[in-house]
Amino acid sequence: AQSVTQLDSHVSVSEGTPVLLRCNYSSSYSPSLFWYVQHPNKGLQLLLKYTSAATLVKGINGFEAEFKKSETSFHLTKPSAHMSDAAEYFCVVRDSSGTYKYIFGTGTRLKVLA
Amino acid sequence: NAGVTQTPKFRVLKTGQSMTLLCAQDMNHEYMYWYRQDPGMGLRLIHYSVGEGTTAKGEVPDGYNVSRLKKQNFLLGLESAAPSQTSVYFCASRTSGNLYNEQFFGPGTRLTVL
Repeated sequence: AQSVTQLDSHVSVSEGTPVLLRCNYSSSYSPSLFWYVQHPNKGLQLLLKYTSAATLVKGINGFEAEFKKSETSFHLTKPSAHMSDAAEYFCVVRDSSGTYKYIFGTGTRLKVLA
Repeated sequence: NAGVTQTPKFRVLKTGQSMTLLCAQDMNHEYMYWYRQDPGMGLRLIHYSVGEGTTAKGEVPDGYNVSRLKKQNFLLGLESAAPSQTSVYFCASRTSGNLYNEQFFGPGTRLTVL
């Protein structure tokens, strides 16, 4: 069975400093991986997705993630945090066993300090 | 193009009451999903549908029923609400095709059961 682990439930950074949100996955197959962002009282919005075309994936709002098969990781980064980045972030792996399900991590809440 | 919409946005029920949550999408997507979101638990799949007239159980289906009579609509029913069903409910949809297609989410329904 596939699973995903977000290693930090809360991350705090100062505005203008780098952001690192960590995600590890387990998969028996070549995975589909996604990062979503959820701002307070809003739905989930796709930040980026891994499609096997490139290991470094660029997303919206300056975020990117690197797929590392040897480490089974898909960490999300941003060079410089902005106040508007404060939100909850979810790492998601697609179940490729034919059941069409997506497996969500428990989320990382990012706080950006002025 | 409204994307995925959910009705209602908020609802308060008393224990034992019933209600139906409506999800509608205008993207002609084949697959639709219902999730619940609880603090610290990420999103958990309740039921999903891979096409009109078909439904399947997810991770936490007990106490819920669903129907997909029209391709664009996916209904989630609570026959006899319980306080444990207090949660935020999200609907999502995606197109069929390759492994890397992402889900599109609605804005959520916040349900409180007293």
